[in-house]
Amino acid sequence: QQQVKQSPQSLIVQKGGISIINCAYENTAFDYFPWYQQFPGKGPALLIAIRPDVSEKKEGRFTISFNKSAKQFSLHIMDSQPGDSATYFCAASSMGGGADGLTFGKGTHLIIQP
Amino acid sequence: DAGVTQSPTHLIKTRGQQVTLRCSPKSGHDTVSWYQQALGQGPQFIFQYYEEEERQRGNFPDRFSGHQFPNYSSELNVNALLLGDSALYLCASSLAGNTEAFFGQGTRLTVV
Repeated sequence: QQQVKQSPQSLIVQKGGISIINCAYENTAFDYFPWYQQFPGKGPALLIAIRPDVSEKKEGRFTISFNKSAKQFSLHIMDSQPGDSATYFCAASSMGGGADGLTFGKGTHLIIQP
Repeated sequence: DAGVTQSPTHLIKTRGQQVTLRCSPKSGHDTVSWYQQALGQGPQFIFQYYEEEERQRGNFPDRFSGHQFPNYSSELNVNALLLGDSALYLCASSLAGNTEAFFGQGTRLTVV
């Protein structure tokens, strides 16, 4: 049973455009929703995270939008740059990521074309 | 400040053998989690260690076991290796009660 569904599987965006990746979850006990960025041969790196008490969180060019009733959340990358080309994973956990294992989506391979 | 470090970086084992992977958490962190990442997939949670005890476990067989030492470092052991165990094994550390988990670069295990 896949508890976090991520789409699209791959995404091509022109430089300067907006990249949007979506995730949906099933477990209503989830209360922590991070996004990770992974480059080839590296471990995932935490980008930004949100809790369900807010609907949006912005850090620099990265924004998470959260819809608790729909059990969906998304990552928006504004002014996308070639250096943003990587695989992005959404994840979810309950009782905070430090106290509970993370459940990951299958990932989105993002390519930013110059 | 060193981040999460894992060793070895790469490893090749034969089916049926046993393997031990090692992880040193980020300075100040006391909780270590292990994940398996198959090629083209998201990481899957194996188990988590806190205060030298397994606190939570994912859907992995008993062939997967671990240990946490008093200095918070951790080992992942896999017995009776199968071809399907070939994957990137990731260690993540965090501070108990804190939400942020930091990952190491992983150990690439190939079972032949």
